[in-house]
This record gives sequence, structure tokens and C-alpha cells, in this order.
Amino acid sequence: AQSVTQPDIHITVSEGASLELRCNYSYGATPYLFWYVQSPGQGLQLLLKYFSGDTLVQGIKGFEAEFKRSQSSFNLRKPSVHWSDAAEYFCAVAASGGYQKVTFGTGTKLQVIP
Amino acid sequence: EAGVTQSPTHLIKTRGQQATLRCSPISGHTSVYWYQQALGLGLQFLLWYDEGEERNRGNFPPRFSGRQFPNYSSELNVNALELEDSALYLCASSLEVVREGQPQHFGDGTRLSIL
Repeated sequence: AQSVTQPDIHITVSEGASLELRCNYSYGATPYLFWYVQSPGQGLQLLLKYFSGDTLVQGIKGFEAEFKRSQSSFNLRKPSVHWSDAAEYFCAVAASGGYQKVTFGTGTKLQVIP
Repeated sequence: EAGVTQSPTHLIKTRGQQATLRCSPISGHTSVYWYQQALGLGLQFLLWYDEGEERNRGNFPPRFSGRQFPNYSSELNVNALELEDSALYLCASSLEVVREGQPQHFGDGTRLSIL
């Protein structure tokens, strides 16, 4: 069964600074990988997804993520954070080649300070 | 295109009662998923329905149950409510099973509070 780890529970960055949120997964083959964002009191919004091909994936709101098979990682990045990016971010993994439920990480809460 | 809609937004119940939560998927989506998001516990997978059938179930007791209707909308029922059932319940839908790479699209959730 697949698993996903988000080692940072809480991250604080200054507005305008760069951001990297870590995500490590465990799965024997190439998985499907997702990043979602959740604003307070709302559901999850898909930021980006990786299935195959180019390992650098562009998403909405200026986010990107890079799939690194050798490190089993799928870190989320943004070059310049805006105050509106303050939210909780979830990495998720799903097995390819046959249905498996999506497994979500425990989330990283992002605080943006002026 | 309308997104995933959930009702009610908030639901307050007392211990031992029963709760029914509803979800309407995005038009054309056949798969519906239910998650529980309790404080500090992340998203816990509850149930997956596809084409009216329960396809997978998370590690929850049988008092958590649901169904999917012919129009692909879904209900989650929680019987004999306990205090620890207080959580945000999220519904998601997708075009096909995730093996095809279709991401899940989430509703804003139902906040269930048990007094």
C-alpha cells in the first residue's frame, strides 16, 4: 500500500519569500501525485498533478512541483509567496495500474507574515 | 460548471442520534468519495462509491454507511453518534476511478458537531 509523508506540520514564511513544501511518498511503481490546498472552512482545491512525462509540473496560482523518483519526493514550490497563500497544503498519492484509494498526507499549515 | 455541493453546511446533533450528509458530484462524475477530517488527524478515507456500488471502505465502524443514487449523488449516514465523530466531512468526485489519473474534486464539506 502506498503512503505519503509531509514532514513539516507548520511553516512560516515572509511575504515575497520563496516557498518549498516537502512531500515524500512510498510506492513501488510510478504513482499518481497531487497537491491540494485548503483554506479555512473550505474544501480542498487541486493545485497540480503528476502522472508521467515531464517531472516538473506547473499548477495554478503560480505553484510548481518536481517529481524526483530517486528521492521519492514531490515537493511543492513557489518563487514568491503572497499573503493569500496562507492555508493548509496536502500532498496525495494514488497507485497507478489499478484502483487504489488516494492517500493524503497529514498536511502542512502555511503562515505568511508581512 | 457547478462544483461538488454538500449539504447541510453545518449539522449539530447529540450523542446517540443519527446524521445524514448529502453530496452532489460534478455533472458527469460517476465516482464519489467521503472523507473525515477531524482536528489534528488529517483526511481519513471513509467510503468510495462508483456506479452505485461501494468499491472501497476505510477503517471505520459499520455505523458509518452510505449509498449512491442513480443520479450519482450520495448520502453518508452515521448512526449512534459519538463525540469523536465531530469533524468536517468532505465529499469528492471524479470522472473515473483514480487509476485513470483523474483527480478528485472536493466540496466545501459538512461540519458535524456532536454535543
